Amino acid sequence: DVKVTQSSRYLVKRTGEKVFLECVQDMDHENMFWYRQDPGLGLRLIYFSYDVKMKEKGDIPEGYSVSREKKERFSLILESASTNQTSMYLCASSLRRGLYNEQFFGPGTRLTVL
Amino acid sequence: GENVEQHPSTLSVQEGDSAVIKCTYSDSASNYFPWYKQELGKRPQLIIDIRSNVGEKKDQRIAVTLNKTAKHFSLHITETQPEDSAVYFCAASMGAQKLVFGQGTRLTINP
Repeated sequence: DVKVTQSSRYLVKRTGEKVFLECVQDMDHENMFWYRQDPGLGLRLIYFSYDVKMKEKGDIPEGYSVSREKKERFSLILESASTNQTSMYLCASSLRRGLYNEQFFGPGTRLTVL
Repeated sequence: GENVEQHPSTLSVQEGDSAVIKCTYSDSASNYFPWYKQELGKRPQLIIDIRSNVGEKKDQRIAVTLNKTAKHFSLHITETQPEDSAVYFCAASMGAQKLVFGQGTRLTINP
């Protein structure tokens, strides 16, 4: 049973702070993804990674960066948090690149930037 | 890049009736179309998917149809039950790599 966990369910930060969101999966998946979820906008891809130390920009990468030092862990970094980054952040993983495989999501982190 | 439009944004049906959610996509190269269900306070979970070499796929009370010519696909839920109440997301991708999601449909089943 795939398990994707995220470091926090709720997080409150101040404008300008550096914010780290962590995601860990325990099923040796190669692919990992970061999305933000906003009402009426669906799930929008921020960054994704197919391998350790590899990253690719998604559809809305501005203001974010990522790190993948280990296969099981994918971190999302807000270098200088802004109020428009208040959102629900969802991490996901899937087995392998190039396969039609399911994305397994974490529980989400609701981030509020004041 | 790919763009996915999903309609309606909200849908309310009587228990036992059918519900249909429709999505259109822009990139004719897309070949994989999953549907995810997100119950209140829970994470999204895959409920059904279809590849472009198939026109229809069923799994008990849910079915997905795909019209490649028109570039649209639909989710059909029959005999709806209270536990079907959730937000549903369609998505499209080429090769199941990067998914592009629709805006979501909030489905409410009225008893």
